[in-house]
Amino acid sequence: SQQGEEDPQALSIQEGENATMNCSYKTSINNLQWYRQNSGRGLVHLILIRSNEREKHSGRLRVTLDTSKKSSSLLITASRAADTASYFCATDATNTDKLIFGTGTRLQVFP
Amino acid sequence: GAVVSQHPSRVICKSGTSVKIECRSLDFQATTMFWYRQFPKQSLMLMATSNEGSKATYEQGVEKDKFLINHASLTLSTLTVTSAHPEDSSFYICSARALPQGEAFYGYTFGSGTRLTVV
Repeated sequence: SQQGEEDPQALSIQEGENATMNCSYKTSINNLQWYRQNSGRGLVHLILIRSNEREKHSGRLRVTLDTSKKSSSLLITASRAADTASYFCATDATNTDKLIFGTGTRLQVFP
Repeated sequence: GAVVSQHPSRVICKSGTSVKIECRSLDFQATTMFWYRQFPKQSLMLMATSNEGSKATYEQGVEKDKFLINHASLTLSTLTVTSAHPEDSSFYICSARALPQGEAFYGYTFGSGTRLTVV
């Protein structure tokens, strides 16, 4: 399967804590993207990191990319109950015209 | 910004009937569109890639005769689920890519999805 793996599958934390999600993939990539999905809804694009970048920040989000290990992490700092959602990484592989999604992490933030 | 409109958002159909889902790029031309399927509590699985004016490319295990894809113009792609069965019930999401590969910083825009229920 081309699909990337994410861990943990599920994560429950208290408001104010940080949440870290990891993504591993299999192929060479142009970029890696992180998306958020509320239950039964569409996708929201969060952040994109290119293959030549190692770290990127956007508000409370921090993404890292290690192409040698074919892995990425998403850190959400100072989490809020509204951050409760599923988070997916997606890889834009080189020499293909597709975006392949990881297995996802379900995050629950308790108030 | 780029917007993709997908409809219907929800559809219920009887077993054996066909259902068409539309995906339109509203303010850009989409050279490539993608169709994904998502079962409950699972990730998005790519079903097929469609390029305007040519046949769709299906992922392994996806029946092309069951999931008909038409990308007749640069702003419209349709997915028709033919002879639907209850196991086809799922969340279908389209995505459009506006720029050629290698030039896009972020070229993927997603529709809001269609929840199909086959009874």
